[in-house]
Amino acid sequence: AQSVAQPEDQVNVAEGNPLTVKCTYSVSGNPYLFWYVQYPNRGLQFLLKYITGDNLVKGSYGFEAEFNKSQTSFHLKKPSALVSDSALYFCAVRSAGRRALTFGSGTRLQVQP
Amino acid sequence: DVKVTQSSRYLVKRTGEKVFLECVQDMDHENMFWYRQDPGLGLRLIYFSYDVKMKEKGDIPEGYSVSREKKERFSLILESASTNQTSMYLCASSFGTGGSSNNSPLHFGNGTRLTVT
Repeated sequence: AQSVAQPEDQVNVAEGNPLTVKCTYSVSGNPYLFWYVQYPNRGLQFLLKYITGDNLVKGSYGFEAEFNKSQTSFHLKKPSALVSDSALYFCAVRSAGRRALTFGSGTRLQVQP
Repeated sequence: DVKVTQSSRYLVKRTGEKVFLECVQDMDHENMFWYRQDPGLGLRLIYFSYDVKMKEKGDIPEGYSVSREKKERFSLILESASTNQTSMYLCASSFGTGGSSNNSPLHFGNGTRLTVT
């Protein structure tokens, strides 16, 4: 079985401040972890993924995520938020024995000017 | 750039109707997926296909079926639409035939918002 939890429905941050969107996962074996973003009236877009190797993964639009095996977490981060980062963010996981991703419930990020 | 096209942006159907949602991708991807997106529940996998005429059930297949007769097209069928199938339906595709290529990013269409009355 594989599952993902995004504990925050919404995260509010001021423009220029660092942001974190939280994600924890549960899988059997090694996880493959992903972040996707959905802008208003748009389809989901891939941001970044962790497969193996360095625990800090860098992705599109200045985002990065840190894989923490002991805490089973994969939090999304950005050093300085932009108003244009306001969107719905989804964490997703796949275990080695599965072909398809399981997505979390999503976290809405609101960046205030 | 990969394009995943869903035939309808908005659809309104009556309870009991048979509904077809169509999805076409133009990048020769092996894998195609149907998810539904509901507020507070995120994306839930309905069905996916990793090859022509191949399909696998996802987490919530009840009330749905799929068809993949050609590599580029993946259809979702609601055999007898019900009000609890009112949702946003997202189609996605990805490259690869297994192993590490299962980690290829998903490319999503813009979604079909289906309302069943």
